[in-house]
Amino acid sequence: DQQVKQNSPSLSVQEGRISILNCDYTNSMFDYFLWYKKYPAEGPTFLISISSIKDKNEDGRFTVFLNKSAKHLSLHIVPSQPGDSAVYFCAARRAGTDKLIFGTGTRLQVFP
Amino acid sequence: EPEVTQTPSHQVTQMGQEVILRCVPISNHLYFYWYRQILGQKVEFLVSFYNNEISEKSEIFDDQFSVERPDGSNFTLKIRSTKLEDSAMYFCASSGQFTEAFFGQGTRLTVV
Repeated sequence: DQQVKQNSPSLSVQEGRISILNCDYTNSMFDYFLWYKKYPAEGPTFLISISSIKDKNEDGRFTVFLNKSAKHLSLHIVPSQPGDSAVYFCAARRAGTDKLIFGTGTRLQVFP
Repeated sequence: EPEVTQTPSHQVTQMGQEVILRCVPISNHLYFYWYRQILGQKVEFLVSFYNNEISEKSEIFDDQFSVERPDGSNFTLKIRSTKLEDSAMYFCASSGQFTEAFFGQGTRLTVV
């Protein structure tokens, strides 16, 4: 099941710079997208979401952009902090269902 | 801040044994889920539960799996006869109507 793809397994960014994490999807029926952050030995923690009727949602240092025509979304973290180092999962939900389809995750490392 | 609580954090069981994973969802949530993550793989949906019945399940969720909400607070996942390939992190999650899912910290199940 490759409906949600995160093609970059890892990303390394200097503290204070912008982190951009990307996600692509194939199912045009997805209408809601989420980003989760996960530390080792913990469950995913919700970060930010976006509905398909929007193209941008912002919450503090986190902004999610949605390009429906390209079936692409991205998470921008600015400025990046060492505490942001974690695995970031993109997830999508199809209209009329509850289940989330997760990507494989991108490991972000923010170094001083 | 309310959170989803899972017990135990780690469960070791012999192949063929029954195991019950327990979860206490956030108290005012209406939707309950189980996901799992096999080591090195993506987080996969197992089942969703609403109004005391399964609302959706994946092909992974076969007859050896069952869920129950035995009282007003607990939500359990039972695996009747565990197999080696059931070894994974199992995450419980809950959500309100039209809200994001909040995940527990997970139960690491090791089948030997």
